[in-house]
Amino acid sequence: GAVVSQHPSWVICKSGTSVKIECRSLDFQATTMFWYRQFPKQSLMLMATSNEGSKATYEQGVEKDKFLINHASLTLSTLTVTSAHPEDSSFYICSARPGSHTGELFFGEGSRLTVL
Amino acid sequence: KQEVTQIPAALSVPEGENLVLNCSFTDSAIYNLQWFRQDPGKGLTSLLLIQSSQREQTSGRLNASLDKSSGRSTLYIAASQPGDSATYLCAVGRNSKLTFGKGITLSVRP
Repeated sequence: GAVVSQHPSWVICKSGTSVKIECRSLDFQATTMFWYRQFPKQSLMLMATSNEGSKATYEQGVEKDKFLINHASLTLSTLTVTSAHPEDSSFYICSARPGSHTGELFFGEGSRLTVL
Repeated sequence: KQEVTQIPAALSVPEGENLVLNCSFTDSAIYNLQWFRQDPGKGLTSLLLIQSSQREQTSGRLNASLDKSSGRSTLYIAASQPGDSATYLCAVGRNSKLTFGKGITLSVRP
C-alpha cells in the first residue's frame, strides 16, 4: 500500500507555544490530505481537509486560526497548533489517498502532542 | 449526520477462534467502507476497502462484507492469533471524507 509519513511522532511543549506537525506522502502525490484528532478511547474526528495550493476546509467547531494548515506541495501538508493549551493534548493523524476520492485512504503513524 | 457504531467495545477470545466484528452505520448513502487496524499509540493500517457496489473483500485470513441497505458491515477473522490483538475500526466514506466508529479492542489469548 501507499506510504504516509508523519513527523514528529511525539512532542511535548509548554502552554502558549506553537507546534508544527508534518505529513508527507512518500510514494504518491496527494492533492488532498486529511487531518484527524483522536482522544483516548474515542474515534477519530476529522479536523480539516488540506488542499494543495488553496485554503484548507475546516470541520464545524474547529478553529482555523488555532490549527493552521499549509499544503504547499503535492507531497507535504503541515498542521501548526498555535498557542497550544493542555486541552490541545491529543493524537493527531494525517491521511491521504492516491487516485480517486473513492479510493483507499492511508494514514500516517500519528503524532502525540502533550502540552504542559 | 452519519453515525458509525461498533459493538462491543472490547472482545477477548482464545487463540484459534474464528470471530466476527460488527459495524453499523445510519446513512446508507456511502461511497465505500474501510476497515483499519490500530495498535496502541500508533497510526492506522488499512485492512480492507469495500466500494459501495461491492458485497465483500478478502485478504488472507480477513473477510469483510457490506450490506448497504441494512447499514451493516462485518469483519471476519479466521483462526485468530495473538498478533491480531489490536483495535479494529470501521469507517464509512462519502464525499471523500470518512466517518469512524470508536473501534473494537480485540485481545487474542495464547
